[in-house]
Amino acid sequence: DAGVIQSPRHEVTEMGQEVTLRCKPISGHDYLFWYRQTMMRGLELLIYFNNNVPIDDSGMPEDRFSAKMPNASFSTLKIQPSEPRDSAVYFCASSPSRGNTEAFFGQGTRLTVV
Amino acid sequence: GNSVTQMEGPVTLSEEAFLTINCTYTATGYPSLFWYVQYPGEGLQLLLKATKADDKGSNKGFEATYRKETTSFHLEKGSVQVSDSAVYFCALSYNFNKFYFGSGTKLNVKP
Repeated sequence: DAGVIQSPRHEVTEMGQEVTLRCKPISGHDYLFWYRQTMMRGLELLIYFNNNVPIDDSGMPEDRFSAKMPNASFSTLKIQPSEPRDSAVYFCASSPSRGNTEAFFGQGTRLTVV
Repeated sequence: GNSVTQMEGPVTLSEEAFLTINCTYTATGYPSLFWYVQYPGEGLQLLLKATKADDKGSNKGFEATYRKETTSFHLEKGSVQVSDSAVYFCALSYNFNKFYFGSGTKLNVKP
């Protein structure tokens, strides 16, 4: 398996623009997580899905952030409008519900809002 | 609530030195415990895990023992290498779905 695939790897955008981050989880995994990593706040869980349904979005910072999972093989995290303080590395991770195994992480998207 | 506390870094060691990174947790039940490692520019990778009290996880010379009585899961390695330089995250999870991560500890190993 290719692992969790995120795109783009790097994104530079101007303040006020819409940004969409994409994630393809590992096939067969029914949990999907979105994390944000910054120097100041470390690794924060933004939202997670089970079987394409959002289970806990309490970590989403504000209404500018939204996440969707239209099917088992694709998820998006959208920021609209973007602000400089949204600059961070955003990770997607997936895990199966069976087998007592861990979360597998993608390589992340480094977002810079100028 | 559930939380993980790690020692602050950075930790700087010479090659072949002994490593300990402390991790303690707060949990309402009986979670599984994990150590993840993040190399520069990459995502987190599982290093080792333990699913119940007194279990010892081990991988690549690293070890950690699930201590329920002290709510700890300290990471150890007998002899570190330059290639071990990375950020290490302690984490807990119930039923392997929602994961709670510590703040991470950066390890620098000098030749």
